[in-house]
Amino acid sequence: DIQLTQSPSLLSASVGDRVTITCRASQGLNTFLAWYQQKPGQAPKLLVYAASSLLSGVPSRFSGSGSGTEFTLTISSLQPEDSATYYCQQLSTYPRGFTFGPGTKVHIK
Amino acid sequence: QVQLVESGGGLVKPGGSLRLSCVASGFTFSDYSMSWFRQAPGKGLEWISYITNRDSYTDFADSVTGRFSISRDNAKNSLFLQMNGLRVDDTAVYYCARMITSTSYHWFDPWGPGTLVTVSS
Repeated sequence: DIQLTQSPSLLSASVGDRVTITCRASQGLNTFLAWYQQKPGQAPKLLVYAASSLLSGVPSRFSGSGSGTEFTLTISSLQPEDSATYYCQQLSTYPRGFTFGPGTKVHIK
Repeated sequence: QVQLVESGGGLVKPGGSLRLSCVASGFTFSDYSMSWFRQAPGKGLEWISYITNRDSYTDFADSVTGRFSISRDNAKNSLFLQMNGLRVDDTAVYYCARMITSTSYHWFDPWGPGTLVTVSS
């Protein structure tokens, strides 16, 4: 089974800061990776698919990069509404598995 | 707009059964594969089941294989998850999500708001 790790697990930053979350895979994923944002009490929302493609409607301050076993989600200028938990998900084992990382909680100082 | 809404959650005793439904609107349901996910209280996300658009292929996570089944009714724009032999560790919010496929890439969007299943005596 493919395992995903995320770092950091908790991130505290100020409005306007550039923030980077890293997702590492136990096996190569090519670019079969997605990023989701989840706020308390809400369903996950897709931000990035295919490692670096931004979903239409997602603010351009979000960006994804990486391939193989290391991926990053970057928020170029953190906004108050970005306070949430962010999850990476691998889809290389389609049509099953679809493992998630443990999540990174982003807190606004 | 594209929307998914789950229902059918509730409180059930260990060993009991429950059937979840997910109703889709705003898109041609029969064109898309679907999945169920869950999230235990305070925990991360877990994929549990997948079904192709024409019902020809289904798959399950090891944690639910043999206990859960997935089905769909394309005429009613509905997805179902039949859960039997429920255990305390099945307690979670259950989400349905649409799978989008482009070239060889897949992703899940949107997700429904979820329905809470609580397994307790």
